[in-house]
Amino acid sequence: AQKVTQAQTEISVVEKEDVTLDCVYETRDTTYYLFWYKQPPSGELVFLIRRNSFDEQNEISGRYSWNFQKSTSSFNFTITASQVVDSAVYFCALSEDTGGFKTIFGAGTRLFVKA
Amino acid sequence: KAGVTQTPRYLIKTRGQQVTLSCSPISGHRSVSWYQQTPGQGLQFLFEYFSETQRNKGNFPGRFSGRQFSNSRSEMNVSTLELGDSALYLCASSLMGQGALNSPLHFGNGTRLTVT
Repeated sequence: AQKVTQAQTEISVVEKEDVTLDCVYETRDTTYYLFWYKQPPSGELVFLIRRNSFDEQNEISGRYSWNFQKSTSSFNFTITASQVVDSAVYFCALSEDTGGFKTIFGAGTRLFVKA
Repeated sequence: KAGVTQTPRYLIKTRGQQVTLSCSPISGHRSVSWYQQTPGQGLQFLFEYFSETQRNKGNFPGRFSGRQFSNSRSEMNVSTLELGDSALYLCASSLMGQGALNSPLHFGNGTRLTVT
């Protein structure tokens, strides 16, 4: 069965600190996609990145980077030099074919960045 | 390009009533998914429509239903409301639909439903 676990419920950091958000997933499929979404206080979830199960290359986009490791079923997200605007809830998600396609989400990690 | 539009933004209903929520997807997107978000359960998948057909359904009772129109707009209906239905209901559209694993979801701002 699909499952996405974000063990960190809340993280609080001071501006300019680096922070890593953990995501562990479970799936029986060999073909799947992983996503990260951001939900700022305004409420609208925003897509950040996707990674397919065959591409374990890490990715960097500005201050954001993602580390995908199939061996540990993890897809972690690091924010470098955090800023107050990074304060949001971050969701990790998994999309796979379970007889019907759907995307399931982890419980989310609420990040507080203090000035 | 306009984003996903959900109406209304807020609703207050009493137990036993029924409610209809509306979602207009991004132009060109034929897939619409609905999620329920609560503090305790997180984001729970309700159902997904593509070209007016429900393709996937989550583990929700039959009181939760939906439909999609030919212009891809979607509505979600909850009948016989219960207190536990209070939640943020999010609609998301995607270009290829949930049938294409790599399609990201584009979310609306949600409808916050309060059942008293």
